[in-house]
Amino acid sequence: AQSVTQPDIHITVSEGASLELRCNYSYGATPYLFWYVQSPGQGLQLLLKYFSGDTLVQGIKGFEAEFKRSQSSFNLRKPSVHWSDAAEYFCAVLKSSGDKLTFGTGTRLAVRP
Amino acid sequence: ETGVTQSPTHLIKTRGQQVTLRCSSQSGHNTVSWYQQALGQGPQFIFQYYREEENGRGNFPPRFSGLQFPNYSSELNVNALELDDSALYLCASSFEAVGTEAFFGQGTRLTVV
Repeated sequence: AQSVTQPDIHITVSEGASLELRCNYSYGATPYLFWYVQSPGQGLQLLLKYFSGDTLVQGIKGFEAEFKRSQSSFNLRKPSVHWSDAAEYFCAVLKSSGDKLTFGTGTRLAVRP
Repeated sequence: ETGVTQSPTHLIKTRGQQVTLRCSSQSGHNTVSWYQQALGQGPQFIFQYYREEENGRGNFPPRFSGLQFPNYSSELNVNALELDDSALYLCASSFEAVGTEAFFGQGTRLTVV
């Protein structure tokens, strides 16, 4: 069974600082990979996705993620964090089209002024 | 906004009662998935409906049931509510051909007392 690990439960960064959120997955083949963001009490918004091809994918709100097959990782990055980025971030994998999404436990991001 | 709408937004029920949650999928989408997100956790897959048939189920008991209608909207029913059923219930819709990308609604916050 596939699984997703987000090793950092909480991260605090200063506004303007760079950000990297870690995600590792466990699955035999390369799954489809996603990052979602969730503001308090809200649903999930898709930031970016990786299906195939270029391993560096660009998303909304200035986020990007890099797929590294050798490390089974799909880390999310942003060069300069804004206060509005404070939220919870979920990494998710999909084994195949039409399958269920498997989510990590999330990383809560706080941004210091 | 994703075009996926859920109702109601909040609900309080008593242990042992039954509840029905509703989801209108995004226009053109024929697949609806339901997820349960307990406080501080990532979403957990409940089941998926594709063209009105259940198409996959997570590790949830039979008292969690669902329906999908010809217009692809969906209901989640939970019987004999337990305190642990308190959670945010998320609906996600997708289209089979690009079923790798799911769009989430804002969720229904269910509190069982």
